[in-house]
Amino acid sequence: DAGITQSPRHKVTETGTPVTLRCHQTENHRYMYWYRQDPGHGLRLIHYSYGVKDTDKGEVSDGYSVSRSKTEDFLLTLESATSSQTSVYFCATDRADTGELFFGEGSRLTVL
Amino acid sequence: GENVGLHLPTLSVQEGDNSIINCAYSNSASDYFIWYKQESGKGPQFIIDIRSNMDKRQGQRVTVLLNKTVKHLSLQIAATQPGDSAVYFCAERVTGNQFYFGTGTSLTVIP
Repeated sequence: DAGITQSPRHKVTETGTPVTLRCHQTENHRYMYWYRQDPGHGLRLIHYSYGVKDTDKGEVSDGYSVSRSKTEDFLLTLESATSSQTSVYFCATDRADTGELFFGEGSRLTVL
Repeated sequence: GENVGLHLPTLSVQEGDNSIINCAYSNSASDYFIWYKQESGKGPQFIIDIRSNMDKRQGQRVTVLLNKTVKHLSLQIAATQPGDSAVYFCAERVTGNQFYFGTGTSLTVIP
């Protein structure tokens, strides 16, 4: 258990509103990730971070931005939410360079 | 994205039987593979991993087999228990620390 906490766990919002999801970890892991999970697609990488202020895009980054101002926090922002961003979002961290990912419990976002 | 897929979306097994979950991957350069288990309402949990220089790795009741020739990965669960009911994902590391995940196989254990 890497002590990963996601907030909020559930959110319903309207199209066009900004949304920020927070991931907090207590294990001092260097790498952090945001994935989305949708039926038929499995887990898809949105953005990831390899250190404070160091982030990069994943395969489905359009419409999302991230920030990492502290090792323990990784924020995912939807500047203007769309219905296609209705999904379950998972934060993950990994231990050094082992590749083993530890996941949070997920944040279910519904965009009406 | 990369084609990391599973042959069967659902699998039902009798309690006590062995389970085999399969996964195909398309990138021959992938060097590291992981199997995850995801229970309903929870995040995926690491089960077992294998590096591309290995063919087989065993854990507690689980074995992962890697066939690089046909780009195939399998997860074997021995003496399947009701607590094994979950969705299982394979993931391949294509580059750096980026993983591609399969769509998942739902395993149901029949008591």
